[in-house]
Amino acid sequence: EPEVTQTPSHQVTQMGQEVILRCVPISNHLYFYWYRQILGQKVEFLVSFYNNEISEKSEIFDDQFSVERPDGSNFTLKIRSTKLEDSAMYFCASRRTVGKETQYFGPGTRLLVL
Amino acid sequence: SQQGEEDPQALSIQEGENATMNCSYKTSINNLQWYRQNSGRGLVHLILIRSNEREKHSGRLRVTLDTSKKSSSLLITASRAADTASYFCATDEVTGGGNKLTFGTGTQLKVEL
Repeated sequence: EPEVTQTPSHQVTQMGQEVILRCVPISNHLYFYWYRQILGQKVEFLVSFYNNEISEKSEIFDDQFSVERPDGSNFTLKIRSTKLEDSAMYFCASRRTVGKETQYFGPGTRLLVL
Repeated sequence: SQQGEEDPQALSIQEGENATMNCSYKTSINNLQWYRQNSGRGLVHLILIRSNEREKHSGRLRVTLDTSKKSSSLLITASRAADTASYFCATDEVTGGGNKLTFGTGTQLKVEL
């Protein structure tokens, strides 16, 4: 069964460094998402992406964040200058169509900013 | 209360018992989805119920949806120790844009032997 994959599974970085989190969505899916979950808290929406552009973003998704689908299979989340409060589990998700379909989540990347 | 708020926050039962978790939400939805998360791990999709559906079954899971009360419940029957996890409801809202999911605070279920 196809699944969403994410790399790396864990990333440790220094405050102020740039990180790129990678995701490979399910191949025939058209809508892509990033969410995050700070330890012990609920999952929060960051951004949705369709047809090579952002369709919606939350207030968390400020200028330090960007997303890209560079090659038709990968979907990346970049944090330009990490802060301590960016430490969280980051989940990528994809879905096939809007409105009626399940979002499938990857296993997550645990980011720790020191 | 917040969109997608679950109760109880924590539930401890014996193996073989049924577990019921409730979720309330505030806005109009396309569908409501339940996910499971083992400690520190990824989100596993359990079941999706559409706004025009009232009840849905999948194995030992039964989900109900009451759009007039903006609430849903997840029932796990004949629970097993392996069902120990956090359970989240997530609403797919009727908005413009990319149909984000809004997650609830979750119910931590512990099933004891």
